[in-house]
Amino acid sequence: DVLMTQTPVSLPVSLGGQVSISCRSSQSLVHSDGNTYLHWYLQKPGQSPQLLIYRVSNRFSGVPDRFSGSGSGTDFTLKISRVEPEDLGVYYCLQSTHFPLTFGSGTKLEIK
Amino acid sequence: QVQLKESGPGLVQPSQTLSLTCTVSGFSLTSNSVHWVRQPPGKGLEWVGAIWSGGSTDYNSALKSRLSISRDTSKSQVFLKMNSLQTEDTAIYFCTRRLLFDYWGQGVMVTVSS
Repeated sequence: DVLMTQTPVSLPVSLGGQVSISCRSSQSLVHSDGNTYLHWYLQKPGQSPQLLIYRVSNRFSGVPDRFSGSGSGTDFTLKISRVEPEDLGVYYCLQSTHFPLTFGSGTKLEIK
Repeated sequence: QVQLKESGPGLVQPSQTLSLTCTVSGFSLTSNSVHWVRQPPGKGLEWVGAIWSGGSTDYNSALKSRLSISRDTSKSQVFLKMNSLQTEDTAIYFCTRRLLFDYWGQGVMVTVSS
């Protein structure tokens, strides 16, 4: 199985600040079709996860441009700028290049 | 609009079989895959398995021997059956759409306890 290592576990932030979350995979996430199936989700307290970024760097419908994704191969980053209260929760990365699909262990974004 | 909703018993006894239903609307099961994901209390997310638009299935290898996913396209429903339940199967079970997991149900809490 592909191991997804997500860091940090906890991320204190000041409102208005900028943060980055790292997700590293144990093998390349480049699919044989040339795409890289690495996605990012936010799970707010008591809610289902919601898709933020798909295929490394594409913002899902309605996601503000404060969220951006980058990376390639085995090393990926989610960046959040101008953090707002609604951004708080747990962020997960997911790889869907290889089966079984695997998630990172999560990064909790909280107020400093 | 796209919606998914999970339903099923909240409490299952150890060694018994779990049966969950995901009822979808706003899209066709013959054009979209549906996946099951679970989350133990206070822990992270685990992919359980999927049923593809053509009706084939894929399962998490760790659960494969106990798991079955099927569907009824006429009712827009996807079913999960997992047997030989143990306390470690206690979790919120979500259904979600496509490999992107672009839309999710609200989840159903399943507790395995006698």
